[in-house]
Amino acid sequence: DTGVSQNPRHKITKRGQNVTFRCDPISEHNRLYWYRQTLGQGPEFLTYFQNEAQLEKSRLLSDRFSAERPKGSFSTLEIQRTEQGDSAMYLCASSLSSPGNRYGYTFGSGTRLTVV
Amino acid sequence: ILNVEQSPQSLHVQEGDSTNFTCSFPSSNFYALHWYRWETAKSPEALFVMTLNGDEKKKGRISATLNTKEGYSYLYIKGSQPEDSATYLCAFVDYKLSFGAGTTVTVRA
Repeated sequence: DTGVSQNPRHKITKRGQNVTFRCDPISEHNRLYWYRQTLGQGPEFLTYFQNEAQLEKSRLLSDRFSAERPKGSFSTLEIQRTEQGDSAMYLCASSLSSPGNRYGYTFGSGTRLTVV
Repeated sequence: ILNVEQSPQSLHVQEGDSTNFTCSFPSSNFYALHWYRWETAKSPEALFVMTLNGDEKKKGRISATLNTKEGYSYLYIKGSQPEDSATYLCAFVDYKLSFGAGTTVTVRA
C-alpha cells in the first residue's frame, strides 16, 4: 500500500464548470475524510465517511458539493457550478476508527483547485 | 466551531538553534491532540498523537508536551536543520480534526 492517493494533483477550471476529485485511501482504513485548505488557514473539515456511510457533513459545505464513497473504498468529491471562492487545496485523509480518533490520519498530497 | 490557535504564525530559525511554538485548544471534552508536519508539495505527515495530560513525546530532534487542564501543547525542535522547514499543524480531536492555522518554520543555513 503506497498511502493515500489523490487525483488530479492540480485542476484549473472555468467558473461555472463541474469538477470531480478522487481519493484512494489506505485499504485497511475504514474512515475517510475530506478537508479544504486555503492560504493562511489550517485545513477545514468538509465531510467524512465510515466505510460507505457519510456520517457528517460540515455546514461550510454548500449544496454544490457532494461526496461519495461507494463500497467503502475510494471516494469522490464533486463541486458543481464552481465559483472563484472554491479555489483551494482539497485534502483527503484516511484512518482507522478508534475511541477519540487516537490514531494519526494519513493524508494524501491534495488536489489544488483553481477556478478562473 | 472549536477554537484551536497556534502561535507564532511563522518563525525563522538559524541552523543549529532550538525553537518552540504553541498550540492552544479547548480544555473541556479532551480526547486527543495531533501534531502534523506539512512540507511544501508533500502530504501532511503525522508527528505525534497525544492523549494524556502530561504526555511528552519525542521523534528524533522534535518533541511535544501536552497540558490538557490548561489547554495547550508545545512543540520543540532541538538543533534545527534546513529539513525541518515546514508548516507544523496541531489538531484537536473529536470525531474529526479541528486544525489550527499552523506555524511555518523556516530554518536558515
